[in-house]
Amino acid sequence: AQSVTQPDIHITVSEGASLELRCNYSYGATPYLFWYVQSPGQGLQLLLKYFSGDTLVQGIKGFEAEFKRSQSSFNLRKPSVHWSDAAEYFCAVALSGNTPLVFGKGTRLSVIA
Amino acid sequence: NAGVTQTPKFQVLKTGQSMTLQCAQDMNHNSMYWYRQDPGMGLRLIYYSASEGTTDKGEVPNGYNVSRLNKREFSLRLESAAPSQTSVYFCASSDWDRPGYFGPGTRLLVL
Repeated sequence: AQSVTQPDIHITVSEGASLELRCNYSYGATPYLFWYVQSPGQGLQLLLKYFSGDTLVQGIKGFEAEFKRSQSSFNLRKPSVHWSDAAEYFCAVALSGNTPLVFGKGTRLSVIA
Repeated sequence: NAGVTQTPKFQVLKTGQSMTLQCAQDMNHNSMYWYRQDPGMGLRLIYYSASEGTTDKGEVPNGYNVSRLNKREFSLRLESAAPSQTSVYFCASSDWDRPGYFGPGTRLLVL
């Protein structure tokens, strides 16, 4: 069965600092990979996705993620964090774009001045 | 283009009451899903429908039923609500190259 691990439950970064959120997955083949963001009391917004091709994926809001097959990882990065980035971030995998997502438990990001 | 819509936004139930959560999408997606979100647990799949007329159980289906009414609509029913079903419920839809669009969620409190 597919599984997704987000090792960090909570991360605090200073505004303007760089950010990396970790995601590891367990699956027999290369799955479709996703990062979602959820602000408090809100729904989920897709930040970026990887299906195939270039392993460095650009998303919205200045985020990017890199797929590393050898490490079964899909880490999310941002060079300079803004206070508005404070939210919960979920990594997810799927067999295809037409099958259910399996989510990690999420990483809560706090941003301090 | 409203995307994925859910009703109601909030609901309070007493133990044993029943209710139906409604979900509709206007993106012509084949697949639709119901997830529940609980603190520290991420999102867990309750049921999904790969196409009109088909439904399958997910990770946590007990206590729920679903109906794929047509391509647009996918409802989730709680026949006899329990406090353990207090959660935030998200509906989503997707297609081959258009993954995981989520609705705004329904917050359910079962007393």
